[in-house]
Amino acid sequence: EADIYQTPRYLVIGTGKKITLECSQTMGHDKMYWYQQDPGMELHLIHYSYGVNSTEKGDLSSESTVSRIRTEHFPLTLESARPSHTSQYLCASSDDLAGTEQYFGPGTRLTVT
Amino acid sequence: AQRVTQPEKLLSVFKGAPVELKCNYSYSGSPELFWYVQYSRQRLQLLLRHISRESIKGFTADLNKGETSFHLKKPFAQEEDSAMYYCALLGGTSYGKLTFGQGTILTVHP
Repeated sequence: EADIYQTPRYLVIGTGKKITLECSQTMGHDKMYWYQQDPGMELHLIHYSYGVNSTEKGDLSSESTVSRIRTEHFPLTLESARPSHTSQYLCASSDDLAGTEQYFGPGTRLTVT
Repeated sequence: AQRVTQPEKLLSVFKGAPVELKCNYSYSGSPELFWYVQYSRQRLQLLLRHISRESIKGFTADLNKGETSFHLKKPFAQEEDSAMYYCALLGGTSYGKLTFGQGTILTVHP
């Protein structure tokens, strides 16, 4: 079944650790996105990709990095986690047509202690 | 710069009452606007988009360019409409980048 997956769903980790949040989609979409969302607040785009080997920073500055080596996979990495990184991270994808729907994953709730 | 404002953080109505969730935007070009919804323990999902001019789950939204608004309306709210609603703007490019509002939590009381 076509879907977008995120793992882990919840992560509690200590300061200074390196973490990678996984995002995979089986929808055949070229475009993928990472959003950061604090509880009860708006979503902020932090990274996006138009396709393989294409990554761009979003509207909200983030210390995280992303890669797009395969169409279906768009992982997000934090080299050294800090408490300020505590947030929910949402991955989304869409096809190549302008103005189309974005499909969201279930999210990863990250807590850095 | 494009911006989306949802002035109401919380909105409570009783079942059967009309509901209107407000959304105002700021964008110099011709925008495409969307409403996304997140029900409890579910993913964020598209509710409707203005170009479709359709009614989904009884909800409608009309783009008013003069007032730069895209309010979401439903004449008779149901308890299952309780959710977080986000207005989003696609700024006239093919990049697919959405700008979201702050969200409105709608609670429909029985």
